[in-house]
Amino acid sequence: DAKTTQPPSMDCAEGRAANLPCNHSTISGNEYVYWYRQIHSQGPQYIIHGLKNNETNEMASLIITEDRKSSTLILPHATLRDTAVYYCIVRVDGGTSYGKLTFGQGTILTVHP
Amino acid sequence: ETGVTQTPRHLVMGMTNKKSLKCEQHLGHNAMYWYKQSAKKPLELMFVYSLEERVENNSVPSRFSPECPNSSHLFLHLHTLQPEDSALYLCASSQYQGATGYTFGSGTRLTVV
Repeated sequence: DAKTTQPPSMDCAEGRAANLPCNHSTISGNEYVYWYRQIHSQGPQYIIHGLKNNETNEMASLIITEDRKSSTLILPHATLRDTAVYYCIVRVDGGTSYGKLTFGQGTILTVHP
Repeated sequence: ETGVTQTPRHLVMGMTNKKSLKCEQHLGHNAMYWYKQSAKKPLELMFVYSLEERVENNSVPSRFSPECPNSSHLFLHLHTLQPEDSALYLCASSQYQGATGYTFGSGTRLTVV
């Protein structure tokens, strides 16, 4: 699976948009970009994933650049409960893969009042 | 609850004890995973079971012994652990070959004394 690079930490004011970047310059054509987050001492939670088109769900939006070498997770109106470690993961889906997820250090997002 | 239930939530054990961690999912997933998260470290994949067969063992010491009796249950048997084995142990499940994300349990916080 392709390696990802994320900033170690970011701050955001409550109510503002949080934009979390991820670089994955060695991504292959069949690899998806996944985002998870882990609130302190809980299991990671799936947020969103995409292949090449921008995606949006009730939690966040995912913007993937045209060359697919980077992406941005957007939390449109951050709340204090969004304070967590955010992981960007690239992996292949389908075929013979059982879907192993490999986690890096992630980005610690702190939302301030 | 996420659909993946782990018990117990907290466990304190001596180095000579034998204990087991339990994970249960009723999401219809057919792959299950054990992860270890030590303080200030990324999640480390320990074991993968796909269709009830162990498909990956990431150089985990033999004092950790997994068991997957059916597609809904996963155990991690512990014996003669060391203090450095103290960590958060997370179970996850996913759909084999699918594009859906993982679902994690809330974890078992293990302390070895």
